[in-house]
Amino acid sequence: DPKIIQKPKYLVAVTGSEKILICEQYLGHNAMYWYRQSAKKPLEFMFSYSYQKLMDNQTASSRFQPQSSKKNHLDLQITALKPDDSATYFCASSQDWGSSYEQYFGPGTRLTVL
Amino acid sequence: GEQVEQRPPHLSVREGDSAVITCTYTDPNSYYFFWYKQEPGASLQLLMKVFSSTEINEGQGFTVLLNKKDKRLSLNLTAAHPGDSAAYFCAVSDNNNAPRFGAGTKLSVKP
Repeated sequence: DPKIIQKPKYLVAVTGSEKILICEQYLGHNAMYWYRQSAKKPLEFMFSYSYQKLMDNQTASSRFQPQSSKKNHLDLQITALKPDDSATYFCASSQDWGSSYEQYFGPGTRLTVL
Repeated sequence: GEQVEQRPPHLSVREGDSAVITCTYTDPNSYYFFWYKQEPGASLQLLMKVFSSTEINEGQGFTVLLNKKDKRLSLNLTAAHPGDSAAYFCAVSDNNNAPRFGAGTKLSVKP
């Protein structure tokens, strides 16, 4: 059974619209992360959360808003979508937030903005 | 904050040859190091986790070397085979922050 679920697997959106990327982990982890991967930036860290609290935000744009309704959920809301937002978005989790914990990655959501 | 530079961005080798991927980092307090493998169209999977106290770490078909003096981490694939074709990412962290990833290396192993 998949331990980290990301929905949807593929997503096509029009410029200016808003989408929510879903992430749920069933590893019992306390920390969750979002990364973005595109041809321009191979793996770009976006956010990290620990016990549903924001720990680190490396995303300049406020159009990207994480939402954590439960400890094992970290969704990503993206507003006013632009073609440059086209990328694969990976959710990850680790046992706890901090330096020594390896991260487990979800299968990704491939977003295409037309 | 920590800066991680990974080289080369692309690497092509013949089957049976060795392949070396290197990451350099800036924070001398870095203590934990990770290598991840991403096969085409797939997600990242942990290959190895290394602590700063261990300079040589051996896995199945690869060796990870840590040179703390030069702040350099390397992944050496010995006798590469086509199944090793993937993107490889290093990640480095100090004691206070989540790991920072390198830009990745796309390895191609040709038969």
